[in-house]
Amino acid sequence: DGGITQSPKYLFRKEGQNVTLSCEQNLNHDAMYWYRQDPGQGLRLIYYSQIVNDFQKGDIAEGYSVSREKKESFPLTVTSAQKNPTAFYLCASQRLGGEKLFFGSGTQLSVL
Amino acid sequence: GNSVTQMEGPVTLSEEAFLTINCTYTATGYPSLFWYVQYPGEGLQLLLKATKADDKGSNKGFEATYRKETTSFHLEKGSVQVSDSAVYFCASTSGTYKYIFGTGTRLKVLA
Repeated sequence: DGGITQSPKYLFRKEGQNVTLSCEQNLNHDAMYWYRQDPGQGLRLIYYSQIVNDFQKGDIAEGYSVSREKKESFPLTVTSAQKNPTAFYLCASQRLGGEKLFFGSGTQLSVL
Repeated sequence: GNSVTQMEGPVTLSEEAFLTINCTYTATGYPSLFWYVQYPGEGLQLLLKATKADDKGSNKGFEATYRKETTSFHLEKGSVQVSDSAVYFCASTSGTYKYIFGTGTRLKVLA
């Protein structure tokens, strides 16, 4: 079955540590997105990528980094510069010219 | 700028009750409008959408009509079930990457 896979489901970060969240899709979608979800705040866009080897900052990119070396993969690194990283992180993809977003099941990141 | 405002939750209903979750938007031009649903511990799934004024989106008994005159896209269902308990997000987009999400409304349906 086609879809988006996020891993791990739960992740714990120690202070000063960088952590990487994985997102893989086999839908052959061109565009991929990372959102952060905090209680009562809806979804906020961190980064997005419309083609391989290219990505753009979203509304809250500070403290995060991404890469898009392959069409099917869009990993997100939460760096030590992100002082409040505890949140639910959602990856999504979208076909070229489409509007519907397809979401993964999310990663809950917490700080130890 | 563009925005989406939806009613705060939680909304608690008895099974078979009528559901309305209000959503209004501000946008330049004519955005497409969406309702996404999020079940506990999962990502969002598209529930329904409408792309132009007076369009009605519908799916699984849920409906929403794109009202340009009131800039609204309220979600309704005639008879809710326990399995409808989830968080519902209203969203708009005026371009393929420019999604604007509301803050979400939690629905709890009691048996």
